[in-house]
Amino acid sequence: DQQVKQNSPSLSVQEGRISILNCDYTNSMFDYFLWYKKYPAEGPTFLISISSIKDKNEDGRFTVFLNKSAKHLSLHIVPSQPGDSAVYFCAASAYNAGNMLTFGGGTRLMVKP
Amino acid sequence: DGGITQSPKYLFRKEGQNVTLSCEQNLNHDAMYWYRQDPGQGLRLIYYSQIVNDFQKGDIAEGYSVSREKKESFPLTVTSAQKNPTAFYLCASSGTGVSYGYTFGSGTRLTVV
Repeated sequence: DQQVKQNSPSLSVQEGRISILNCDYTNSMFDYFLWYKKYPAEGPTFLISISSIKDKNEDGRFTVFLNKSAKHLSLHIVPSQPGDSAVYFCAASAYNAGNMLTFGGGTRLMVKP
Repeated sequence: DGGITQSPKYLFRKEGQNVTLSCEQNLNHDAMYWYRQDPGQGLRLIYYSQIVNDFQKGDIAEGYSVSREKKESFPLTVTSAQKNPTAFYLCASSGTGVSYGYTFGSGTRLTVV
């Protein structure tokens, strides 16, 4: 049973527009969430995170929103750039699971020039 | 510079042979992980180790083995028992506290010929 789901396997966006990547989770114990970005044949790199005590965290063009009641988080990229084309993984951690992360299946973002 | 190094980048193996993938980190992280990624798929956990001389099976441990004799090193052996070993393998490490997230290596592409 997948505890972290990214229901859209791919997303195509025009350069300059907003990209919205979604992630849903089922485990109510999750209290920390992270987004990773991965280029082909490379390891994922950390992008942005959010604690469950917040509902929004912003870092430059990247903003993560958390809706705890809906068990849903989203990553907004504004404006989208061609270099943002990559696979994005959502990950979650529970306070009683130490530093173990549970990953979603990933969403491939394609930003068209 | 601290980091996590996987070698080799590309590896070819004949059917029926065992092969060992190297993962070394100099981040002083306690925990280390091995993931497998197949084309169009997410990250699947093979093995993880929270401390030296101890490791646990992940979701897809069959056909794989690991050792953790040193804090810095977590090699993964793909045995001949692994039915579909061709994949992209990622090693990661994490420190104390979830806010560190994971640091990933750049991956090893294993191809069985």
